[in-house]
Amino acid sequence: DQQVKQNSPSLSVQEGRISILNCDYTNSMFDYFLWYKKYPAEGPTFLISISSIKDKNEDGRFTVFLNKSAKHLSLHIVPSQPGDSAVYFCAASSTQGGSEKLVFGKGTKLTVNP
Amino acid sequence: DGGITQSPKYLFRKEGQNVTLSCEQNLNHDAMYWYRQDPGQGLRLIYYSQIVNDFQKGDIAEGYSVSREKKESFPLTVTSAQKNPTAFYLCASSTQREDSLNYGYTFGSGTRLTVV
Repeated sequence: DQQVKQNSPSLSVQEGRISILNCDYTNSMFDYFLWYKKYPAEGPTFLISISSIKDKNEDGRFTVFLNKSAKHLSLHIVPSQPGDSAVYFCAASSTQGGSEKLVFGKGTKLTVNP
Repeated sequence: DGGITQSPKYLFRKEGQNVTLSCEQNLNHDAMYWYRQDPGQGLRLIYYSQIVNDFQKGDIAEGYSVSREKKESFPLTVTSAQKNPTAFYLCASSTQREDSLNYGYTFGSGTRLTVV
């Protein structure tokens, strides 16, 4: 049972345009969400996070939006740059159930074309 | 500089052999994790440890073993019982969530294991 879903395995956008990566979750107990970026043969690096008490968090070109009623979050990258080409993982966490470990989606491969 | 180190970066194993992947962190993190990445599969949790001398199975623990004798170290052994061990292995660490307003994992750079 996949609790965190990234339904688009890949996304291609033009340099300078907006990239929108989507993530859905099923567990209503999730209260903290993160996005990680991963280049080939490297470990993922933290990008941005959001707590369930907020609906938006912004950091430079990156903005994460959270819609709790829809159990949906999205990552917006504006403007997109070729260096943003990577796999992006959505992750979620809950303090309930005695385990704080992150649950990851399967990732979306973003390609930004020059 | 604090961080998490995985070694080696590339590892080759003959079928039937056990092999141990190293993971060391100097971030003073309590929790450590092992993930496996395969194409199209995302990150799948193998084992995790929230405290020294304790660890739990993740979603795909069969054919793997771990130990957590020191806070800084969480080695993963890929045994001969693992039927398809060729993959990219990632180690991560974290604080306890209540300890940090910015909770999240710090990942190592990974080990590529190939069975030959």
